[in-house]
Amino acid sequence: NAGVTQTPKFQVLKTGQSMTLQCAQDMNHNSMYWYRQDPGMGLRLIYYSASEGTTDKGEVPNGYNVSRLNKREFSLRLESAAPSQTSVYFCASSARGTSYEQYFGPGTRLTVT
Amino acid sequence: GENVEQHPSTLSVQEGDSAVIKCTYSDSASNYFPWYKQELGKRPQLIIDIRSNVGEKKDQRIAVTLNKTAKHFSLHITETQPEDSAVYFCAASIPLTQGGSEKLVFGKGTKLTVNP
Repeated sequence: NAGVTQTPKFQVLKTGQSMTLQCAQDMNHNSMYWYRQDPGMGLRLIYYSASEGTTDKGEVPNGYNVSRLNKREFSLRLESAAPSQTSVYFCASSARGTSYEQYFGPGTRLTVT
Repeated sequence: GENVEQHPSTLSVQEGDSAVIKCTYSDSASNYFPWYKQELGKRPQLIIDIRSNVGEKKDQRIAVTLNKTAKHFSLHITETQPEDSAVYFCAASIPLTQGGSEKLVFGKGTKLTVNP
């Protein structure tokens, strides 16, 4: 099992450019999450998907959109990148929802100049 | 509002000593409290968790205690080793108004350094 995989590992964007971060899990988990991690700020939830076909906003959704493509895949899109979106992005999944262990992907380090 | 406070932000101990990290939460409906360890440049990984119907849980050198009345929970690491050096995050589940689902709110982390 690969667990949770993310692509790309690193990305540099110019302000105003768009991109999609990809996430996939092979553990047959129902729930998937996108977090951003900034120095001294912990992990903040951007969006989550409790089950296939549903998505909901987290703490910091502005400037992002998501798609739960199928049970395995959950993508995060930045439509018009801003320097404030420079961060490390983690995707995670859990079997049955928040009150169960979340398995994290390796992260994507994004820099917006 | 939803808030998880974590203290201290940095902690330095000598190998073999104990380390304690404390968190407080604001939502009385929170019922799940995990702790994650993140080594430098790596992904967070769950090390222990506790649910609201339990006051204490132990796994080898790691233990977590929960005081629901006071809304705080703590991570205890005994006989610390250099490989325990990492950033530790606490979290609390927060119920959401829609669909009966929940989210995790994380503390800002504690950087633990274990000196040989």
